Amino acid sequence: AQTVTQSQPEMSVQEAETVTLSCTYDTSESDYYLFWYKQPPSRQMILVIRQEAYKQQNATENRFSVNFQKAAKSFSLKISDSQLGDAAMYFCAYRTDYGGSQGNLIFGKGTKLSVKP
Amino acid sequence: DAMVIQNPRYQVTQFGKPVTLSCSQTLNHNVMYWYQQKSSQAPKLLFHYYDKDFNNEADTPDNFQSRRPNTSFCFLDIRSPGLGDAAMYLCATSRGLGGGASETQYFGPGTRLLVL
Repeated sequence: AQTVTQSQPEMSVQEAETVTLSCTYDTSESDYYLFWYKQPPSRQMILVIRQEAYKQQNATENRFSVNFQKAAKSFSLKISDSQLGDAAMYFCAYRTDYGGSQGNLIFGKGTKLSVKP
Repeated sequence: DAMVIQNPRYQVTQFGKPVTLSCSQTLNHNVMYWYQQKSSQAPKLLFHYYDKDFNNEADTPDNFQSRRPNTSFCFLDIRSPGLGDAAMYLCATSRGLGGGASETQYFGPGTRLLVL
């Protein structure tokens, strides 16, 4: 079974600085999808960025980018020019397209990011 | 705006009293999911519907049931809530289960359930 590990329960960053959130996963599959979701306090979970495993190029979305290392099964999220609105719980998630679990998201335990003014 | 809507945002029920949580979507997505998220934990998938096909996760307690009367609505029924069922319940949708853009799940704001 696939697992997702986020080793940093909490992180803190100064406003306008850069922070990197770590995520590793375990799978025997070659094709899959990886996601970072953001869940602000008392607000809904929204997709930050996604990566297809078959693409070597790292995904970017404005200030958010990933470092996808397929061989190492690592998928870190870099937030540049951090803003107060980036403060939230960040979840890394894995999605398979195979078998009975097709389409299901497997989440890590999350990293709580604080942004200091 | 197209979206995933959950009502109510907060629900209080009594121990053992059946409760129903509601989810609706204007995205016209084929798949609807229900997740349970306990405090400071990751969301855990309970089940999902692909159109009318129901898919239950193996470790979802029998106490949890779901209904999807049409494309837009999906309900989570908790037959006899226990104190351990107090959690945030998240509804999500996706266009499909396959690859490409259809794999993205869109989440509602959640319903926080309190069991007294």
